Amino acid sequence: EPEVTQTPSHQVTQMGQEVILRCVPISNHLYFYWYRQILGQKVEFLVSFYNNEISEKSEIFDDQFSVERPDGSNFTLKIRSTKLEDSAMYFCASRRQRGEDNEQFFGPGTRLTVL
Amino acid sequence: AQKITQTQPGMFVQEKEAVTLDCTYDTSDQSYGLFWYKQPSSGEMIFLIYQGSYDEQNATEGRYSLNFQKARKSANLVISASQLGDSAMYFCAMREGRDDKIIFGKGTRLHILP
Repeated sequence: EPEVTQTPSHQVTQMGQEVILRCVPISNHLYFYWYRQILGQKVEFLVSFYNNEISEKSEIFDDQFSVERPDGSNFTLKIRSTKLEDSAMYFCASRRQRGEDNEQFFGPGTRLTVL
Repeated sequence: AQKITQTQPGMFVQEKEAVTLDCTYDTSDQSYGLFWYKQPSSGEMIFLIYQGSYDEQNATEGRYSLNFQKARKSANLVISASQLGDSAMYFCAMREGRDDKIIFGKGTRLHILP
């Protein structure tokens, strides 16, 4: 069964460093998403991406964040200068199309720890 | 304002008993969808069940069923014959917006006791 994959599973970085979190969505999916979950809290929407551009973003997704689909298979989230409060689990998700009965498939997550 | 409300931060249930996890939602959309996800201690998000707003029948998936009461805007998850492996965090969620992003509740931590 096709699945969303994410690498790395765990990333540790120093405050102020840039990190790139990678995701490979399911191959025939058209909509891509990033979510984050700070430890012990609920999952929060960051950004959606469709047709090679950002479709919607939350207030969390400030200028420190960017997303890219560089090669038609990978979908990346870049944090330019990490802060302590960026420590969280980051989930990538994809779906084939909009509307009813189109499940959004989540990847296993990348746990980001900022020291 | 919260769009998804889960009022039970934690629950303890005896193995083999049925359990109901509460969820209420708020939306002005005519068409929407509701989800339940399970998050075990390993951290991944596992899709359990989906209910579309136009579905007249309550969704069921094995031991999971969704008690959808549209007028009350509630979408409770019922797990029948609970098992030790059901111990996890459970999130109620709703899709919204032009890209169907998912909005999550704060979750209910379920503990199944042997």
